[in-house]
Amino acid sequence: RKEVEQDPGPFNVPEGATVAFNCTYSNSASQSFFWYRQDCRKEPKLLMSVYSSGNEDGRFTAQLNRASQYISLLIRDSKLSDSATYLCVVNPPGGSYIPTFGRGTSLIVHP
Amino acid sequence: DAGVTQSPTHLIKTRGQHVTLRCSPISGHKSVSWYQQVLGQGPQFIFQYYEKEERGRGNFPDRFSARQFPNYSSELNVNALLLGDSALYLCASSGGGRTYNEQFFGPGTRLTVL
Repeated sequence: RKEVEQDPGPFNVPEGATVAFNCTYSNSASQSFFWYRQDCRKEPKLLMSVYSSGNEDGRFTAQLNRASQYISLLIRDSKLSDSATYLCVVNPPGGSYIPTFGRGTSLIVHP
Repeated sequence: DAGVTQSPTHLIKTRGQHVTLRCSPISGHKSVSWYQQVLGQGPQFIFQYYEKEERGRGNFPDRFSARQFPNYSSELNVNALLLGDSALYLCASSGGGRTYNEQFFGPGTRLTVL
């Protein structure tokens, strides 16, 4: 099993739709989690951190499920500008500084 | 405030050559990480430096090396280039404290090896 797995998609949704992505991880001791957004041929940009209690920022909600070892990202009321690749990042327990990125999930929002 | 800067933006080399990529972190950030990203994949971790010390090393051959300078800028060196080294090389900086794991990326250096 890969350390961090994401469905590459693409997820093709109409404007206004709600879409959710999951990211599974294999190391149950992983300590911190993030979602990044990457536009075509650009660098990844931090979207949000994922806390144990969940995290909401406007139309975006991130959640952590430690029991099932996955994090999720929910996007409500999708906009055309949300079209991008969404990367999850899992950081190992303290003392091991080797963050692992998933391969990303491609989202295409169409009119 | 300036973000993370990287130079050069593009580079073309031939097999067997050596390359040096440069990165300046966000002002006040003491940690710099290097990643390799090939098309269709997520960034792969190469190195992390904090206060000029190597803190982490990914699964890359010894042809890859890096260092961090007193002003926290960093260089990534790759020797004996292979065709498979063609990729986008990303540098990320992070601050200390509870946000030390939140990384901010530079625009990257796109390396093509012919």
